[in-house]
Amino acid sequence: GAGVSQSPSNKVTEKGKDVELRCDPISGHTALYWYRQSLGQGLEFLIYFQGNSAPDKSGLPSDRFSAERTGGSVSTLTIQRTQQEDSAVYLCASSLAGFFEYFGPGTRLTVL
Amino acid sequence: KQEVTQIPAALSVPEGENLVLNCSFTDSAIYNLQWFRQDPGKGLTSLLLIQSSQREQTSGRLNASLDKSSGRSTLYIAASQPGDSATYLCAVRRGGTGANNLFFGTGTRLTVIP
Repeated sequence: GAGVSQSPSNKVTEKGKDVELRCDPISGHTALYWYRQSLGQGLEFLIYFQGNSAPDKSGLPSDRFSAERTGGSVSTLTIQRTQQEDSAVYLCASSLAGFFEYFGPGTRLTVL
Repeated sequence: KQEVTQIPAALSVPEGENLVLNCSFTDSAIYNLQWFRQDPGKGLTSLLLIQSSQREQTSGRLNASLDKSSGRSTLYIAASQPGDSATYLCAVRRGGTGANNLFFGTGTRLTVIP
C-alpha cells in the first residue's frame, strides 16, 4: 500500500486479556515508531525500531508492553494482562531514516 | 524531560478569520519542530517542519515560526475555512543520539464556523 496501515482499527477487550496490535509500515522504511494517545493527553512515545539495531524501549510504560519487528518490516505491539488505563489510540509511524514520519490511522483499544 | 504545551486547547472562529495557535517547549535543545493536523479516525498529517536553525516555514495559507531560545512556536492560519477544522498538534524532536522520537503537545482543537 501507499501508506502505513494498522490493524485492527478498533479492539475491545476485557481486563486481563492479552492483545496484539499490528503495523505495516511503508515499504523500504527502516525506522518504525509506536506511540499511544490517551484521552486528553498528547501522543506518548513507546518504542522505536531502526534497521537491525536493538530497539529503543525507553517509552514502554511497563513490562506488560512489548513489541517486535519481523524482517525489518511488520511490527506487532503486544500488551499482556490489559488494564483499563491501557485504553488509548495506538499509532504507528514509519520513516526512511528516523525523520519525517508517516503515521498510520491508529488502533483504538478499549479495555472493559 | 521535554514538555510541550499548546494554548488554547480549543478555538472556535468564523470562516475567513486569521488565527494563531501557540506551542511552547521546555528544552531548547531540539533538532526540529513539526506541526501536524489530526482528523477524527485518521492518522496525523504533517503540515510544516522547521529545522532548529530556521525561523519559519510557509505552505499556502499556513505559516509556522520558531523561536528556539524562548522555546516557542506559532502556527498562523490565514483566511480560515471550514475544512481547516481539526486538531492541530505541535511536536519537537530532540537532538543528540537516541530514538529521535517526537514529543507532542496535547493539541488545539480548531472549529471554523461557516
